[in-house]
Amino acid sequence: DTGVSQDPRHKITKRGQNVTFRCDPISEHNRLYWYRQTLGQGPEFLTYFQNEAQLEKSRLLSDRFSAERPKGSFSTLEIQRTEQGDSAMYLCASSFSRAGGPTDTQYFGPGTRLTVL
Amino acid sequence: AQKVTQAQTEISVVEKEDVTLDCVYETRDTTYYLFWYKQPPSGELVFLIRRNSFDEQNEISGRYSWNFQKSTSSFNFTITASQVVDSAVYFCALKNTGFQKLVFGTGTRLLVSP
Repeated sequence: DTGVSQDPRHKITKRGQNVTFRCDPISEHNRLYWYRQTLGQGPEFLTYFQNEAQLEKSRLLSDRFSAERPKGSFSTLEIQRTEQGDSAMYLCASSFSRAGGPTDTQYFGPGTRLTVL
Repeated sequence: AQKVTQAQTEISVVEKEDVTLDCVYETRDTTYYLFWYKQPPSGELVFLIRRNSFDEQNEISGRYSWNFQKSTSSFNFTITASQVVDSAVYFCALKNTGFQKLVFGTGTRLLVSP
């Protein structure tokens, strides 16, 4: 099985620029998640999708952040007007959920490391 | 409120030593799930185990074992006969029923030297 893939792996940008990251989940996984991880910390939840519907958003997801999953497959996370505080690793995860089944396990991708200068 | 505490920031051992990583959690829910993930230097989080709150049986998988104690809200992870390849940051995480987000601890960095 191909795992979760993320692109790009690294992104360096200047403050004020917009950036977009892509995540391709494991095939047939219907849930997709975005997390942010800063140095020395555990991942923090940003948002998740069930198929193409965005169902949960963290307060960490400011107005400058937007995520989409247009056809229930890959997802994009865009950050507008980047700030230095946005520098972090952005992790994507996916899982398969079925009605009445046990809680699903999230499988993570390699992450996109963002550096805002 | 949900919270996961991993009090050990960094542990250093010599190969073949046993090591235990501590995890203490807080939740008001009676049904919840606990996870352990490994993050090697490459950065990708690797799933190790999932345990639900109704299953207090300890689990062993090769050199890995997990001790879940509801009475002390702990879910500790032991590596027996550690190896250099075990060097990584290990995260404990909590998920409450009805929510999809994982709440992670701050991680424990394990350094295994030859």
